[in-house]
Amino acid sequence: EIVLTQSPGTLSLSPGERATLSCRASQSVGSRNLAWYQQKPGQAPSLLIYGASSRATGIPDRFSGSGSGTDFTLTITTLEPEDFAVYYCQQYESSPRTFGQGTKLEIK
Amino acid sequence: QVHLVQSGAEVKKPGASVKVSCKASGYIFTGYYIHWVRQAPGQGLQWMGWINPNNGDTRYAQKFQGRVTLTGDTSITTAYLELSGLASDDTAIYYCARAGTISTPPDGFHAWGQGTMVSVSS
Repeated sequence: EIVLTQSPGTLSLSPGERATLSCRASQSVGSRNLAWYQQKPGQAPSLLIYGASSRATGIPDRFSGSGSGTDFTLTITTLEPEDFAVYYCQQYESSPRTFGQGTKLEIK
Repeated sequence: QVHLVQSGAEVKKPGASVKVSCKASGYIFTGYYIHWVRQAPGQGLQWMGWINPNNGDTRYAQKFQGRVTLTGDTSITTAYLELSGLASDDTAIYYCARAGTISTPPDGFHAWGQGTMVSVSS
């Protein structure tokens, strides 16, 4: 099973700042089969990024994904108030399709 | 547009079974995998398995093998999750999610149901 480790666990920033979230895999996620999701309180997760760097439909360009192999990054260039949420990475390279434990992005 | 609408909240006793439905609309039901993911209160996301609605093929996470059954009814474009032998640590929100097409490489979950809360308590 591929274990995904996200860091930091909590990130405290202010609107307008830049956020960098990390996701490290225990083994290579070939073909960049990695996604990022955003989850707000009381809501289902929603897809932000798939294929490590492709934005899902309707996702603003302040969200970007990068990385390959075992190290992946989600960057939010200029934080908006609605971006404060929990973010999960997920690999779909192999079964089971594991998720990271999440990074909580909170307002400083 | 794609919609996944799940059945309502359930309260079950330990040892019982629960069946959650996921009604799909806005796309060709038999063309896309449906996955199930659960989230215990205050916890992260846990993948449970997938079903290919076109032929009924399934794949389950090892943790749930023998307790979970995924099915689909193409006539009403609805997928089902049945979980048996419920225990208190099965208390969670259960989500269905639509992944990529059955004929293309694996993909992320582009659409999610709203979730179904299952509470297990004596």
